[in-house]
Amino acid sequence: GENVEQHPSTLSVQEGDSAVIKCTYSDSASNYFPWYKQELGKRPQLIIDIRSNVGEKKDQRIAVTLNKTAKHFSLHITETQPEDSAVYFCAASWPGYQKVTFGIGTKLQVIP
Amino acid sequence: DAGVIQSPRHEVTEMGQEVTLRCKPISGHNSLFWYRQTMMRGLELLIYFNNNVPIDDSGMPEDRFSAKMPNASFSTLKIQPSEPRDSAVYFCASSLVSGVGTGELFFGEGSRLTVL
Repeated sequence: GENVEQHPSTLSVQEGDSAVIKCTYSDSASNYFPWYKQELGKRPQLIIDIRSNVGEKKDQRIAVTLNKTAKHFSLHITETQPEDSAVYFCAASWPGYQKVTFGIGTKLQVIP
Repeated sequence: DAGVIQSPRHEVTEMGQEVTLRCKPISGHNSLFWYRQTMMRGLELLIYFNNNVPIDDSGMPEDRFSAKMPNASFSTLKIQPSEPRDSAVYFCASSLVSGVGTGELFFGEGSRLTVL
């Protein structure tokens, strides 16, 4: 089955700086890579996703990049704000199969 | 739509007792997932259903766990007998899976289970 590794497990940045979270996946057939944000005590919510037919996707201060050859993908958050503090999960899924496998999560702390 | 609805939000029980967690998915969604979240293991998929049929239950830890989806608007996850190591937050999520594959997972607020 699919295995998703995520690092770092914790990340502290100063407000306004950028944050990068990296993930690798094991199954080359995976073609869907979502990122979820979970605030303390809340449910995970999708913030951005990318499919394997593109290499990069942006949404305001958030961007995701995908390197299919190396089987890794990354989340980039620019101009971080205190409300970006949360746990971020990467995930992977492969075609025709609905199972979504999550990474262990990265706890991001943005220091004002 | 009210989103995915889970109950109870909190459950405290004693070892050996039966626990039933409930989930109402978003109307129109055709897939339902049960996840367990712990600090050590993150979000683990226990089981998922497509059109009310269990597709993959390989994540169910052992026979003490069972899940059902009798219709498109209701699912249960049962633990019998419960053990302290089952303490975790259990999330239900639903999605609409189309021809392009997996869609966004919409999570419920979770059921926090504490087994004493």
